[in-house]
Amino acid sequence: DAKTTQPNSMESNEEEPVHLPCNHSTISGTDYIHWYRQLPSQGPEYVIHGLTSNVNNRMASLAIAEDRKSSTLILHRATLRDAAVYYCILSLIQGAQKLVFGQGTRLTINP
Amino acid sequence: GAVVSQHPSRVICKSGTSVKIECRSLDFQATTMFWYRQFPKQSLMLMATSNEGSKATYEQGVEKDKFLINHASLTLSTLTVTSAHPEDSSFYICSALPGGEADTQYFGPGTRLTVL
Repeated sequence: DAKTTQPNSMESNEEEPVHLPCNHSTISGTDYIHWYRQLPSQGPEYVIHGLTSNVNNRMASLAIAEDRKSSTLILHRATLRDAAVYYCILSLIQGAQKLVFGQGTRLTINP
Repeated sequence: GAVVSQHPSRVICKSGTSVKIECRSLDFQATTMFWYRQFPKQSLMLMATSNEGSKATYEQGVEKDKFLINHASLTLSTLTVTSAHPEDSSFYICSALPGGEADTQYFGPGTRLTVL
């Protein structure tokens, strides 16, 4: 499985944008980039995913480097409810995909 | 969005007993479900992949006779921890993959198992 590298922790202030980086230098051409987040004592929650182009949804934006070796999850205006562990995961496009979770980035939001 | 439930949300049992955890997809059919385990302050570890109507595929190091998985319908998978011991205490999380939509897994809220 292709690996991802994320900072262990990040801190930001409420109502400010947050940029969460992820390196995946060994990504293959068939790997999607997925982001999930996990709030304390809850199951992970889907945030966003993409292949090559940048993606936007109601929760966040995903900026993917042109060589696909890195990506950035962007929370445009962080709230206290965005405090969670954010996981960047690679998985195959097709088939019953396994998600291999790394350690993720623990995001703290200051009021 | 798609909803996955787990029951129970929390269970405490005595050492040596068996515990069954249910995972249900409430508003979609899931041909594939996954079971994860998460110890405190650690990441999720995949235990097994469950396909409806067939035997589960276990990850290396996971004892299939201890963690029995049954995926009898397109909306229900069960994980039974047999002869539970204190070291099995953990947060167990399931996820479901909708049929025909290969991109996104939907996770349940998790089950906290404490073995005394």
